[in-house]
Amino acid sequence: DVKVTQSSRYLVKRTGEKVFLECVQDMDHENMFWYRQDPGLGLRLIYFSYDVKMKEKGDIPEGYSVSREKKERFSLILESASTNQTSMYLCASSLTGGGSPLHFGNGTRLTVT
Amino acid sequence: ILNVEQSPQSLHVQEGDSTNFTCSFPSSNFYALHWYRWETAKSPEALFVMTLNGDEKKKGRISATLNTKEGYSYLYIKGSQPEDSATYLCAFANDYKLSFGAGTTVTVRA
Repeated sequence: DVKVTQSSRYLVKRTGEKVFLECVQDMDHENMFWYRQDPGLGLRLIYFSYDVKMKEKGDIPEGYSVSREKKERFSLILESASTNQTSMYLCASSLTGGGSPLHFGNGTRLTVT
Repeated sequence: ILNVEQSPQSLHVQEGDSTNFTCSFPSSNFYALHWYRWETAKSPEALFVMTLNGDEKKKGRISATLNTKEGYSYLYIKGSQPEDSATYLCAFANDYKLSFGAGTTVTVRA
């Protein structure tokens, strides 16, 4: 089974802090994604990557950046955390293009105070 | 931002009854349509990935159909059980990018 591991289940940070959310997958998947989930809005795509060192903006990239230096690891960076970034963050990976199912991590619930 | 809509937002169904709900998506630039089940305190789990107009897929008591020309998919649950209680998400795939609907939350009452 594919395992997608997110480094923290719960995280509390202060406004203005730089925050790193880490995600690691163990099945050599090409694609990796970061979503955030807010009540009533479903999953919204922040960034995705289809190869090492490649990244593409999703629907809500503002205030975020990403890094993919190794195939198995995809990091989401909040350059200066703000209270409106309080959310559940989900990482996912998939084997190839849009026809492959996503495998999700357990999520990180981030609270910015 | 691609408009993927799911209805209803939530529904309650009696144990043993069958139910269905809808996902609508853009009919242009279609690549695939995904369905996921998301149970409380767990991560979303893939149910189906459908790519062809007219596709029908089945997994146990859950099945899905796809109409790419008119831009909709139905998910059916036959003989609902308490373990079917979850939020069901659909996602429209446009090449690499998946855009999700807000989900339909199903509560099965014993």
